[in-house]
Amino acid sequence: AQSVTQLGSHVSVSEGALVLLRCNYSSSVPPYLFWYVQYPNQGLQLLLKYTSAATLVKGINGFEAEFKKSETSFHLTKPSAHMSDAAEYFCAVSPTGGYQKVTFGTGTKLQVIP
Amino acid sequence: ETGVTQSPTHLIKTRGQQVTLRCSSQSGHNTVSWYQQALGQGPQFIFQYYREEENGRGNFPPRFSGLQFPNYSSELNVNALELDDSALYLCASSQKSSGSTGELFFGEGSRLTVL
Repeated sequence: AQSVTQLGSHVSVSEGALVLLRCNYSSSVPPYLFWYVQYPNQGLQLLLKYTSAATLVKGINGFEAEFKKSETSFHLTKPSAHMSDAAEYFCAVSPTGGYQKVTFGTGTKLQVIP
Repeated sequence: ETGVTQSPTHLIKTRGQQVTLRCSSQSGHNTVSWYQQALGQGPQFIFQYYREEENGRGNFPPRFSGLQFPNYSSELNVNALELDDSALYLCASSQKSSGSTGELFFGEGSRLTVL
């Protein structure tokens, strides 16, 4: 069984401030981990993914995430928020190997204040 | 490279009716997954199709059914629509092969409203 928990359904940051979106995972096997972004009335777009090659993963639009096995965490960060970062962010997990059911968290809506 | 396309983008049905949603997978992808995203929620896994067969199912009743065609496109059918079926239905394609990481490529979704 696998699941992810996203802490905070809404996060507000000022433009230029650090963005930190939290995700903790639970998986009975080594996981693949993902962050997706969803803009209003659109599908989901992959920001970055962890596939066990490196614990610090860099993605698009200046986002990165660090896989911490001891904390079962995969938090998403960006040093300086931009207005265009306002969107909903979903953490997701899938098991390595086998069939690829990807399980999503409930999402964190990021608001960027000018 | 052609991305994932879904149709229709919006539709309105009444309770008890049936609906078919369609999805064309990204070129080179052999697997299609369907997700239901209710307002303010994360996507919930409905089922996945690989090589024209259902390859995993989430906690959805049998009135949710699907098909995958030889060209890897897919349909989601929902019978006996209920009000709670109102949601954004997302199709995602991926490439299932040795070493694949399960990364999903999503379409824009079909927004279903049941009245």
